[in-house]
Amino acid sequence: EPEVTQTPSHQVTQMGQEVILRCVPISNHLYFYWYRQILGQKVEFLVSFYNNEISEKSEIFDDQFSVERPDGSNFTLKIRSTKLEDSAMYFCASSVTSSGNTIYFGEGSWLTVV
Amino acid sequence: GQQVMQIPQYQHVQEGEDFTTYCNSSTTLSNIQWYKQRPGGHPVFLIQLVKSGEVKKQKRLTFQFGEAKKNSSLHITATQTTDVGTYFCAPENYGGSQGNLIFGKGTKLSVKP
Repeated sequence: EPEVTQTPSHQVTQMGQEVILRCVPISNHLYFYWYRQILGQKVEFLVSFYNNEISEKSEIFDDQFSVERPDGSNFTLKIRSTKLEDSAMYFCASSVTSSGNTIYFGEGSWLTVV
Repeated sequence: GQQVMQIPQYQHVQEGEDFTTYCNSSTTLSNIQWYKQRPGGHPVFLIQLVKSGEVKKQKRLTFQFGEAKKNSSLHITATQTTDVGTYFCAPENYGGSQGNLIFGKGTKLSVKP
């Protein structure tokens, strides 16, 4: 079965440093998402992306966050200046269309900010 | 913002017992999805419910969407140790784009062999 792949699986970074999390969505999917899950808590929506632009973003997705699709396969989440509270599992996800379709999640990138 | 309440938060069962988790919203939902997350894993899509009163079955799993589309449930018959994990309901955020899912806090299921 096709899958969403994410790298790195785990990253430790110092507070204030920039971090880029990478994702390769499923090849025929057109909609891409980032979610995060703080340890022990629920999964939270960050942003959705379609046709090379942000469709929607949550309150969590402030100016320190950005997303990009630099080429035909990768989808990245950048955190410009990490804070301790950014420590979380970040899930990339994708779907074929936006409505009524399965959203496939990657295995996640665990970010630890120290 | 829109929220869903999931109960119970934890459920410990003996293998072979049934399990049910409930998801409740104060607002009418356009649709609701259910996900399973194994310990240390990622959310895996189980089902989407769209119609009022809809019931869908997947082997031992039965999913229901309330008539008023404000609540949903997942019932597992005769649990197995492979059912262990956290089950999340996730409706689409009202007024948001598709794919903007509002996850509940989940019900963590443990199964004693």
